Amino acid sequence: AQTVTQSQPEMSVQEAETVTLSCTYDTSENNYYLFWYKQPPSRQMILVIRQEAYKQQNATENRFSVNFQKAAKSFSLKISDSQLGDTAMYFCAFGAMEYGNKLVFGAGTILRVKS
Amino acid sequence: SAVISQKPSRDICQRGTSLTIQCQVDSQVTMMFWYRQQPGQSLTLIATANQGSEATYESGFVIDKFPISRPNLTFSTLTVSNMSPEDSSIYLCSVPRPGTYGYTFGSGTRLTVV
Repeated sequence: AQTVTQSQPEMSVQEAETVTLSCTYDTSENNYYLFWYKQPPSRQMILVIRQEAYKQQNATENRFSVNFQKAAKSFSLKISDSQLGDTAMYFCAFGAMEYGNKLVFGAGTILRVKS
Repeated sequence: SAVISQKPSRDICQRGTSLTIQCQVDSQVTMMFWYRQQPGQSLTLIATANQGSEATYESGFVIDKFPISRPNLTFSTLTVSNMSPEDSSIYLCSVPRPGTYGYTFGSGTRLTVV
C-alpha cells in the first residue's frame, strides 16, 4: 500500500523568509506523480505544484519549488519570500495510474506566516 | 481545468437523518472521487464513482452508509445516511484534470451532526 508521511504538524515562518515542508512516501510503483495541495481556512483545496516521477528536474511554480529525491522517496516543498496569504494547511499527496488514479494524502502541515 | 460546483456548502443535521451532497462538473469526466476530512485531519478517500457502474468503496466505507449516484459524466451525489455525530466532517468531491496529472476539488461540504 502507498503511504505518505508528513512529519511536521506545524511550521511557522516570518514574512519574506523561506520555509521548507517535508514529505516522504512509500511505494513499489515506478510511475507515479506527487502533489502539494494548499487548504486555507476556506477549505478549498488548491493545487500548489506537481511532479511526475519520471522527470528528474524539480518542478517550480513561481515562489514554490520542490526537492524530489526519487531514490530516497522524498518530496519537500520550498516556499520562498513567504507571504501572509501562504498561511494554510499543506498536504503532500501521491497518485499512480496503477493505483486507480486515487490520491493518498499525508497528514498535513499547518503553516503560519507571521508579519 | 474542470470547475466543480458542490452543494450544499454546509449543513447542520439531526442524528438519524440523511444528507445528499451534489457535485456538478462543467465538463465530462470518467472518474469522480469522494473524500472525507474529519476535523483537523487529512483527506480519506470514501469511494470512486464511475459513470455506468457501481462505485468502488475503500476499506471502512460501505454503500449502505454512503450511497453514491453517478447518472452521467458531469454529475454525482454522495449521501451520508443515518447520520451520527461521528459523521461530522468536510466532504469533498474531486475529478482528474485531463492530461495534467492534477486534480480539481469541489469547495467542500461542512457537515455537522447534532
